[in-house]
Amino acid sequence: SAVISQKPSRDICQRGTSLTIQCQVDSQVTMMFWYRQQPGQSLTLIATANQGSEATYESGFVIDKFPISRPNLTFSTLTVSNMSPEDSSIYLCSVESGSYEQYFGPGTRLTVT
Amino acid sequence: GQQVMQIPQYQHVQEGEDFTTYCNSSTTLSNIQWYKQRPGGHPVFLIQLVKSGEVKKQKRLTFQFGEAKKNSSLHITATQTTDVGTYFCAVSGAGSYQLTFGKGTKLSVIP
Repeated sequence: SAVISQKPSRDICQRGTSLTIQCQVDSQVTMMFWYRQQPGQSLTLIATANQGSEATYESGFVIDKFPISRPNLTFSTLTVSNMSPEDSSIYLCSVESGSYEQYFGPGTRLTVT
Repeated sequence: GQQVMQIPQYQHVQEGEDFTTYCNSSTTLSNIQWYKQRPGGHPVFLIQLVKSGEVKKQKRLTFQFGEAKKNSSLHITATQTTDVGTYFCAVSGAGSYQLTFGKGTKLSVIP
């Protein structure tokens, strides 16, 4: 299984600002995913990030709000732009193993004040 | 996309009792995965079921995929305090890597 790290692990941000979350994997992977998980809730897929192509966003998520970069096979970033308190959540990246199962990073806990 | 309903939302059991969580879909699923998330942790992959009627066991955990591939269950025998957490099922469309997660079942174990 892949080892995944995320930075920052948590942050408190002011509304109107942006935060970029980094996801680093210890091996090359084709597919990376970004999820949002509000406290006590399930995971919601934000987008799929494949290296060399634009990210594919799920319904309700747009590139202007959640721009994603995938510069190589071991790294991705998710930016939460123009934040509001409603963006307070845990953001998780994951990678697909090659057999459809996913491995998750530890998450970034974001609080917007 | 695929939708899946997971019940119950919460389950409190005495240590040593059994526990079961269910996932149900109105459409035929190509596969179903199960994840466990400990409090304060991230989801951890447990198992993937692909075949109709499939049953897989991991120590005290038994996973089943229905004959019609529309439902699945996770059963824990003789729960322990280490079983505490939220159990999620997750499904994807045929040939798709994108997962849709159930709402999860939060398991509390009373010592």
